Amino acid sequence: AQSVTQLGSHVSVSEGALVLLRCNYSSSVPPYLFWYVQYPNQGLQLLLKYTTGATLVKGINGFEAEFKKSETSFHLTKPSAHMSDAAEYFCAVIFGYSSASKIIFGSGTRLSIRP
Amino acid sequence: AAGVIQSPRHLIKEKRETATLKCYPIPRHDTVYWYQQGPGQDPQFLISFYEKMQSDKGSIPDRFSAQQFSDYHSELNMSSLELGDSALYFCASSLPGGTGELFFGEGSRLTVL
Repeated sequence: AQSVTQLGSHVSVSEGALVLLRCNYSSSVPPYLFWYVQYPNQGLQLLLKYTTGATLVKGINGFEAEFKKSETSFHLTKPSAHMSDAAEYFCAVIFGYSSASKIIFGSGTRLSIRP
Repeated sequence: AAGVIQSPRHLIKEKRETATLKCYPIPRHDTVYWYQQGPGQDPQFLISFYEKMQSDKGSIPDRFSAQQFSDYHSELNMSSLELGDSALYFCASSLPGGTGELFFGEGSRLTVL
């Protein structure tokens, strides 16, 4: 079955530390991959996406993610965390080039930043 | 740049009442999606419309209905509201022939008492 899994519902890092949010998917067909960020009481904002081409994708706010087909992963990283990065992060996947109606969200990871 | 507009932002209803949420997609976006996000949960797909026709259906209850109008705005109608319907309802739109990127509105928070 096709699915997307985010490891860790809550991640806490110190300001200036590396941020690593994990996302794995299960699929027999190439996926489109997305990371969205949600600040409190706001909608989801696209951070970055992978469709085809370069597997290392750079997004907004200094975030990047690498599509690793062999590991079926699309982990989100940022070299140095900032207090403003505190939010909920959702990995999302569209399987098999189907319509965006089939986008599946992970369960989300809440990122907290310690001063 | 114009974004997806949702109204109202907040709505409080009693059980068994009816509620209507509105969504105005980004200009030239022809597809609208509705998602429901319960407290501490990931967004769940409800329904989508492409060129004013229903294009896909997710976990939308029979008590809910939706449509897309000629100006591409969409309305989600919810009847016989239950306590469990309390959630954040997001509308999203996408470009014609896009790669699946969704542009989300800020959501309408429905509270059922």
